[in-house]
Amino acid sequence: GENVEQHPSTLSVQEGDSAVIKCTYSDSASNYFPWYKQELGKRPQLIIDIRSNVGEKKDQRIAVTLNKTAKHFSLHITETQPEDSAVYFCAASIGNFNKFYFGSGTKLNVKP
Amino acid sequence: DAMVIQNPRYQVTQFGKPVTLSCSQTLNHNVMYWYQQKSSQAPKLLFHYYDKDFNNEADTPDNFQSRRPNTSFCFLDIRSPGLGDAAMYLCATSRSGNTEAFFGQGTRLTVV
Repeated sequence: GENVEQHPSTLSVQEGDSAVIKCTYSDSASNYFPWYKQELGKRPQLIIDIRSNVGEKKDQRIAVTLNKTAKHFSLHITETQPEDSAVYFCAASIGNFNKFYFGSGTKLNVKP
Repeated sequence: DAMVIQNPRYQVTQFGKPVTLSCSQTLNHNVMYWYQQKSSQAPKLLFHYYDKDFNNEADTPDNFQSRRPNTSFCFLDIRSPGLGDAAMYLCATSRSGNTEAFFGQGTRLTVV
C-alpha cells in the first residue's frame, strides 16, 4: 500500500505564529490528500483537502500545497490560536479506490 | 446529529475471547472503513468495503474479520484478541470518488 511520512512529530509555536507540517507519499497514483485534526479523545475531522490537479488550496487561516513531482504536500496554519492545538494527520488516497493511508501525526501545541 | 456511530465506546475483553465492534451510519455512504489506532500512532487501515466488495489490507492479521450486512452497518470481529490488539478502533465512511471520510468516535478496546 501507500507509505505516507509526516514531519515533525511535535511542533510548538507561539500564538500568532505560523505552523507548517510536511508529508511525503510514495505512490504516484495517489490523487487525493486530506488533512485531519484530532483533538484529545475525539474523532479525526477533516480540515482541508486537495486533489492532484490543484497545486494549492486555501481556507481562511489554513492552506495546503501539493508538489506532485516531488510527491510531497504541506499544511500551513497562519495566525495560530490555542484552539489549534491538536494532533494533525495527513493522508493520501490512491486512485478511485477510496483507500486512505495516514501519516504518523503531528502534535501541535500553540502557546498563549 | 451523530452520523457515524460506534458501539460500544469502551470494550474490555479477555485474552482469546471473541469480540465484536459495531458501526452504523446515517450518511448512506457506500464505502466503510475500519482503522486501528494505537497510542500516539496514525490510524492504520485494516480493511474497507466498497459497496459490498470487501478489501483486506495485505498486513491485516487473519484474526480480524469484518461483516457488512447492509449499507448502514459494519462489524469488526476479532476472533482471538491478544494483548497487542488493545487499541482504539475507528470506523469511517465516505462516498466513492475519493471524498472526505467521516469518522466515528471510536471504540477503545482493552484486552485483559
